Amino acid sequence: RKEVEQDPGPFNVPEGATVAFNCTYSNSASQSFFWYRQDCRKEPKLLMSVYSSGNEDGRFTAQLNRASQYISLLIRDSKLSDSATYLCATERGGTSYGKLTFGQGTILTVHP
Amino acid sequence: SAVISQKPSRDICQRGTSLTIQCQVDSQVTMMFWYRQQPGQSLTLIATANQGSEATYESGFVIDKFPISRPNLTFSTLTVSNLSPEDSSIYLCSVEETGPGQEYEQYFGPGTRLTVT
Repeated sequence: RKEVEQDPGPFNVPEGATVAFNCTYSNSASQSFFWYRQDCRKEPKLLMSVYSSGNEDGRFTAQLNRASQYISLLIRDSKLSDSATYLCATERGGTSYGKLTFGQGTILTVHP
Repeated sequence: SAVISQKPSRDICQRGTSLTIQCQVDSQVTMMFWYRQQPGQSLTLIATANQGSEATYESGFVIDKFPISRPNLTFSTLTVSNLSPEDSSIYLCSVEETGPGQEYEQYFGPGTRLTVT
């Protein structure tokens, strides 16, 4: 089993739709959680850090469920510009401080 | 966040040769990392570049194949040695900074796209 697993996707949604991605992690020692956005042929860009049970930034809401070991990303009122690959990542902490483990990514396409 | 640059942005190399990738940050950072992203895959951590000491490698990656230097707090190099077509990937450096909520957040350089022929 992979340490970090994401919804396989791809997700194809119309503009204005709400879409949610899930990401599960197997290492209960994971301390920090992140969502990155990666555009084609570009580097990943940090979208959100997931603090405590979750946080919100405009149209984006991230939630963390430590008991079930998953994080989610909700995008409301989707825009064409939201089309990208969304990567979740976990950091184990301790001696693995700073070392991120990434999921395989979920492709989102928002169409007119 | 810190501005991270990498050189070269892309290269095509023959098998058996080596490529050295440079990563430059515009501010001093404690933690620098090197990742690989193979075609159609997600990112995999290669190693942590430690300033003043040897890099710390992840399982499956060894110093002979991926020697790393970290001479100061703003610069690191990754060499991919004895290239084979399987080394064709994007190589990215990253740095860790303190975010607005005092959480540590990691930012990536633009990547180096390597093709081995």
